Amino acid sequence: DVKVTQSSRYLVKRTGEKVFLECVQDMDHENMFWYRQDPGLGLRLIYFSYDVKMKEKGDIPEGYSVSREKKERFSLILESASTNQTSMYLCASSTSSDSNQPQHFGDGTRLSIL
Amino acid sequence: KQEVTQIPAALSVPEGENLVLNCSFTDSAIYNLQWFRQDPGKGLTSLLLIQSSQREQTSGRLNASLDKSSGRSTLYIAASQPGDSATYLCAATDKLIFGTGTRLQVFP
Repeated sequence: DVKVTQSSRYLVKRTGEKVFLECVQDMDHENMFWYRQDPGLGLRLIYFSYDVKMKEKGDIPEGYSVSREKKERFSLILESASTNQTSMYLCASSTSSDSNQPQHFGDGTRLSIL
Repeated sequence: KQEVTQIPAALSVPEGENLVLNCSFTDSAIYNLQWFRQDPGKGLTSLLLIQSSQREQTSGRLNASLDKSSGRSTLYIAASQPGDSATYLCAATDKLIFGTGTRLQVFP
């Protein structure tokens, strides 16, 4: 069965800290995505990756970076956390061999920046 | 730029009712449209994906339709159950654009 695993369900960090959110998928998917979800704003794409060591900016990349050193792992990095980055973060993956296959999501990481 | 809108934002119905959730999009040149379910505090679960060449998809009590010319998709839920209570989101997944969702509550 398809599995996307996010390393933490809940995370509390302080302003100015460097924060790492990890996502691992076991489906050999080429595509991986990071979204944040906020009330009234829905899901917004932060970054995505179509291959190892490849990354593309989404709609709201400011304040974030990503790393994809291995196919199965996609990391989201908050370089210097700020309170406006308090949110629910969702990771997803999909295959590129068939663009009509659905995206698969992890359970999310609820991040609070104090 | 593609925009995806879902109406209503919230819906509360008694068990057993048939209901329709609406999704509209501004750019008809979508590749596919996907419906998801999200339970509180959880990630998204894919329900149905409609390719641009299709008009509808069915899975159990769920039926999703796509009308590209009018920029609309609907999710039909037959004989609703309390277990259907969740937030339902649609997305133009090739554009990676999501609607804000419809929060559904089905009460016994």
